[in-house]
Amino acid sequence: DVKVTQSSRYLVKRTGEKVFLECVQDMDHENMFWYRQDPGLGLRLIYFSYDVKMKEKGDIPEGYSVSREKKERFSLILESASTNQTSMYLCASSNSDTDTQYFGPGTRLTVL
Amino acid sequence: AQRVTQPEKLLSVFKGAPVELKCNYSYSGSPELFWYVQYSRQRLQLLLRHISRESIKGFTADLNKGETSFHLKKPFAQEEDSAMYYCALISAGGFKTIFGAGTRLFVKA
Repeated sequence: DVKVTQSSRYLVKRTGEKVFLECVQDMDHENMFWYRQDPGLGLRLIYFSYDVKMKEKGDIPEGYSVSREKKERFSLILESASTNQTSMYLCASSNSDTDTQYFGPGTRLTVL
Repeated sequence: AQRVTQPEKLLSVFKGAPVELKCNYSYSGSPELFWYVQYSRQRLQLLLRHISRESIKGFTADLNKGETSFHLKKPFAQEEDSAMYYCALISAGGFKTIFGAGTRLFVKA
């Protein structure tokens, strides 16, 4: 079974704080993704990575950055958290053979 | 531009009734289409993909290229089908997936 884990299920931060969300997958997948999930808006892609140290902007990259130093780990960074970044954040991974995305359990981030 | 549209935010049906969750897409090439499902307190997971042409949990979806649709159907809804459903597409040869806004299905007893 593919396992995608995220470092926290719930996180509360203050405006202006630097926030790190970690994602780890154990299936040697090349591709990893970060989405935010908001009611009525579905899943919106923030960033994705198709290889170590490679990253590409998604549809809503503003206010976020990412890091992929190892194949299994993909980190999402909020340089200076703002209240409009309060959301559910989902990490996913896939390989190029199947294109099916495997999701983590999500991190619900609240920025006060 | 690539886009996936799910016109219904909420769909409520009675147990045993047929259900159809609508999905329309815009894409100039030949996309791969998927349905993902998220049950309460569970992670998002793949339900089915059009190239597999299979039925999962009684659900089927047919790709209609003429109407650019990929509607999800089930002849007899069950209470355990209550969940959030997302339609998604990926461009041929690509790996970036585009999701619709989702439809919440509520099956009433």
